[in-house]
Amino acid sequence: DAGVIQSPRHEVTEMGQEVTLRCKPISGHNSLFWYRQTMMRGLELLIYFNNNVPIDDSGMPEDRFSAKMPNASFSTLKIQPSEPRDSAVYFCASREGLAGSSGANVLTFGAGSRLTVL
Amino acid sequence: QKEVEQDPGPLSVPEGAIVSLNCTYSNSAFQYFMWYRQYSRKGPELLMYTYSSGNKEDGRFTAQVDKSSKYISLFIRDSQPSDSATYLCAMTPFYNTDKLIFGTGTRLQVFP
Repeated sequence: DAGVIQSPRHEVTEMGQEVTLRCKPISGHNSLFWYRQTMMRGLELLIYFNNNVPIDDSGMPEDRFSAKMPNASFSTLKIQPSEPRDSAVYFCASREGLAGSSGANVLTFGAGSRLTVL
Repeated sequence: QKEVEQDPGPLSVPEGAIVSLNCTYSNSAFQYFMWYRQYSRKGPELLMYTYSSGNKEDGRFTAQVDKSSKYISLFIRDSQPSDSATYLCAMTPFYNTDKLIFGTGTRLQVFP
């Protein structure tokens, strides 16, 4: 299994440009999470999907951010227009089914997309 | 105040030392507790999880939860250079186990 695949691994763009980050979850996993990681704030949950349906997008910082999951094997996170404060590492994670009976939220993370907005 | 607080470190120890990593939290609804390990330029990976108060051991790792003090710990015995990573505590409330809240992470360096 190739794990969770994210692209691009690195993106450098200028303020005002549109950024699209992509994620392919593990086959058979039916929950998908987008996180953002910065030194100051750590890992923050942006949005998550269960069975391709967005469940909670309360972590999305602004209307400039949007996420879609058109099918079980693909998701995108889009920032339009991008700003320097959006610079961070964006992680996608997937999970098989719901959190287990133990409550353990066993997420498998991708390697992340490092975004720099100049 | 953040819901989950974690000392960022860095924590630097010699090989073979016992390491103690800690988190405090403010939300008494947290009931499921996890530790993730993150190597440089990689995504976090689940190391251990525990439910409610108590201890759990897995090889060189022991996770401890004290709900009365809102305090969790991860102990690493006989630390190895390969343990050098950032350790993130994470927890979920009983009413929404989908919502995993992370600490900011403690960077650990084990030198030979």
